Amino acid sequence: AQSVTQLDSHVSVSEGTPVLLRCNYSSSYSPSLFWYVQHPNKGLQLLLKYTSAATLVKGINGFEAEFKKSETSFHLTKPSAHMSDAAEYFCVVLYSSASKIIFGSGTRLSIRP
Amino acid sequence: DGGITQSPKYLFRKEGQNVTLSCEQNLNHDAMYWYRQDPGQGLRLIYYSQIVNDFQKGDIAEGYSVSREKKESFPLTVTSAQKNPTAFYLCASSIGGRVTGELFFGEGSRLTVL
Repeated sequence: AQSVTQLDSHVSVSEGTPVLLRCNYSSSYSPSLFWYVQHPNKGLQLLLKYTSAATLVKGINGFEAEFKKSETSFHLTKPSAHMSDAAEYFCVVLYSSASKIIFGSGTRLSIRP
Repeated sequence: DGGITQSPKYLFRKEGQNVTLSCEQNLNHDAMYWYRQDPGQGLRLIYYSQIVNDFQKGDIAEGYSVSREKKESFPLTVTSAQKNPTAFYLCASSIGGRVTGELFFGEGSRLTVL
């Protein structure tokens, strides 16, 4: 079955420390993977995408994600958290063969001063 | 500036009433989508349209209806048949007629049933 699992519903880090948001997906021949960010009461904004090019993908606002096929993972990282990073983050997988987009349940990121 | 405009931002409805949420885009995108978001859950697809005058049901279409008479517009009607309509509704669009994961979102409409 097609699925996306975000392993943490809530992550809290101190400002200036690294951020790690974890995402695993069910295997597909050639998935396309995305991370989106949502600030309170707003729409979602694309952070970055992986579409079978380089496995390390750089996005906006200093975020990166690494595609690891053997682990079926696509974790989102940032070296140093900023207060403005506090938001909800969604991992999204496109299963092209089924024309289906699956959203993870989201990870709320809190930043401590 | 190009983008997606959803209105109204907040809407209150009495039980048994239909309500229509507006979604307009000036990005010249072919595909448009409606999602529902509930607390602690990912987005769930209600309906999507890849071309004018055509649309398909998503995972939770029951109690909802849509139309796509113009490329720019994709309104969603929440009918009285929808048993639990209180939610945050998001409209999105994407380039081309194929389903892609690269979506552009509006700012959402929050519907509360009293």
